[in-house]
Amino acid sequence: DTEVTQTPKHLVMGMTNKKSLKCEQHMGHRAMYWYKQKAKKPPELMFVYSYEKLSINESVPSRFSPECPNSSLLNLHLHALQPEDSALYLCASSQILGSTDTQYFGPGTRLTVL
Amino acid sequence: GIQVEQSPPDLILQEGANSTLRCNFSDSVNNLQWFHQNPWGQLINLFYIPSGTKQNGRLSATTVATERYSLLYISSSQTTDSGVYFCAVEGGTSYGKLTFGQGTILTVHP
Repeated sequence: DTEVTQTPKHLVMGMTNKKSLKCEQHMGHRAMYWYKQKAKKPPELMFVYSYEKLSINESVPSRFSPECPNSSLLNLHLHALQPEDSALYLCASSQILGSTDTQYFGPGTRLTVL
Repeated sequence: GIQVEQSPPDLILQEGANSTLRCNFSDSVNNLQWFHQNPWGQLINLFYIPSGTKQNGRLSATTVATERYSLLYISSSQTTDSGVYFCAVEGGTSYGKLTFGQGTILTVHP
């Protein structure tokens, strides 16, 4: 099973709201990733976790707060977002953090900030 | 950082036609993946191919690492092949960081 699941599928939030995106995998992967994809653009890496520790933060604003509570779960906490943060948020996982491994992507959460 | 260029940006085909998509990259890579993104946004793995040639049904891919390019071949295209095709690479020292090309938008007409 090479499935990464994400919830919710769609999310609409106001600029003062606090919400969370959830990602789950049961493949035993120890590296997990958050990407952001704007319309008609490629995905861009936001964060990487390796063995539940934050390994890469691509200078993402602090209104995005990642969390990896265990090896199967990855959350992205959202607070005080701006309309320009509206995008498709994709989660991915791979066996380990390294260069010889496929990244598997979830279906994404489509976020709209009003 | 590593640069990834895909061509052509757009491709329109009739069902049954063959096509070749190209991905050029600016530095040595340890990881190269081809993805198909469907209209709902799901990124589907097609190939993990940092070097060599692979085939999967009507799709095949070749990466010539020494010349820094990869090709994705689609034969006998079907309307369900429509979508965006991305090439993504991980450079030599960028463990875990996939850099995506701008994509090729493929439209297959019946």
